[in-house]
Amino acid sequence: EAQVTQNPRYLITVTGKKLTVTCSQNMNHEYMSWYRQDPGLGLRQIYYSMNVEVTDKGDVPEGYKVSRKEKRNFPLILESPSPNQTSLYFCASSLSPGVDTEAFFGQGTRLTVV
Amino acid sequence: GIQVEQSPPDLILQEGANSTLRCNFSDSVNNLQWFHQNPWGQLINLFYIPSGTKQNGRLSATTVATERYSLLYISSSQTTDSGVYFCAVANSGGSNYKLTFGKGTLLTVNP
Repeated sequence: EAQVTQNPRYLITVTGKKLTVTCSQNMNHEYMSWYRQDPGLGLRQIYYSMNVEVTDKGDVPEGYKVSRKEKRNFPLILESPSPNQTSLYFCASSLSPGVDTEAFFGQGTRLTVV
Repeated sequence: GIQVEQSPPDLILQEGANSTLRCNFSDSVNNLQWFHQNPWGQLINLFYIPSGTKQNGRLSATTVATERYSLLYISSSQTTDSGVYFCAVANSGGSNYKLTFGKGTLLTVNP
């Protein structure tokens, strides 16, 4: 089954404790990205990746890092989480940048930083 | 960037009723998707519809790209249709294939 898988689904952590949210897709998609969803602000893009070893900032990259060492994986790293990073996070993938293709989203990760 | 406006912001229906949700966008797009966010927060793909009309069961969608709007039709609504419906668009002319989301329509279907 074609899917985007995020882990964990739920996470409560403390300020400053490094964490990683994993994202994996099995569709051989080139393009992957991370979004966060906040009440009143909607979904905003954090980072995106056009292909292996090619990443760039989205609209709200501060406090986040990403890596793309393999085509299927695109982890989101919070080196020193803060309470303002409490949010619902989504990973998404699509076939190829610049091609008009459908984006598929993971199940979401609810992160709470206390 | 592209602006996306959805209407109505809130909609309350009785089970069995029909409804139409609208999405207006400010620039030409070559991708448009409709999503349903369920009570657990998951984003469910409904339609990938940059132009034309598609149907899937009780749901159908139409995008008129030249007039910059899309419509989502829900017929014979059920309580399980409740949730937030998002329209998202992209203009992949640049290097970033970012989806810009509308604020959503909160649909409540009462039994």
